[in-house]
Amino acid sequence: DIVMTQGALPNPVPSGESASITCQSSKSLLHSNGKTYLNWYLQRPGQSPQLLIYWMSTRASGVSDRFSGSGSGTDFTLKISSVEAEDVGVYYCQQFLEYPRTFGAGTKLELK
Amino acid sequence: QVQLKESGPGLVQPSQTLSLTCTVSGFSLTSYNVHWVRQPPGKGLEWMGRMRYNGDTSYNSALKSRLSISRDTSKNQVFLKMNSLQTDDTGTYYCTRDYLFDYWGQGVMVTVSS
Repeated sequence: DIVMTQGALPNPVPSGESASITCQSSKSLLHSNGKTYLNWYLQRPGQSPQLLIYWMSTRASGVSDRFSGSGSGTDFTLKISSVEAEDVGVYYCQQFLEYPRTFGAGTKLELK
Repeated sequence: QVQLKESGPGLVQPSQTLSLTCTVSGFSLTSYNVHWVRQPPGKGLEWMGRMRYNGDTSYNSALKSRLSISRDTSKNQVFLKMNSLQTDDTGTYYCTRDYLFDYWGQGVMVTVSS
């Protein structure tokens, strides 16, 4: 199985500051078709996860442009510019290159 | 609009079988995959298995011996059955759509306890 490893945030993050969450995969998620099979989700307190970023860097519909995804085949970053109260929650990276689909353990963002 | 909604019993006794239903609207089960994902209290997300648009299934090998996913396309429903439940199967169970997991249900909390 592909193992996804997420980094921690130096919580709490001051409102208006930027935050970067890292994710590493045990296998390259770069497919021969040129796409990278990596998604990011946000789970706000008490809610279901929601898709933020897919194909490593494409924002999902309705997602603020304060969120951006980048990376290589095995190392990925989700950047949140100017953190706001609505950004609080747990962020998960997930690979969809292979089954079983696997998630990182999650990175909690708290606001100062 | 696209919606998914999980339903099922909130409490299951140890060693019993869990049966959950995911009812979808706004899309066809013959065009999109539906996955099941679960989350123990205070913990992360675990992919359980998938019903493909053509009726094929895939399962997490850690659960495969206990898990079955089926569907009724006429009712727009996907079913999950998992037997031999233990306390560590307690958690919230979600259904979600397609390879992007772009839409999620609200989740159903399942407690395994006597």
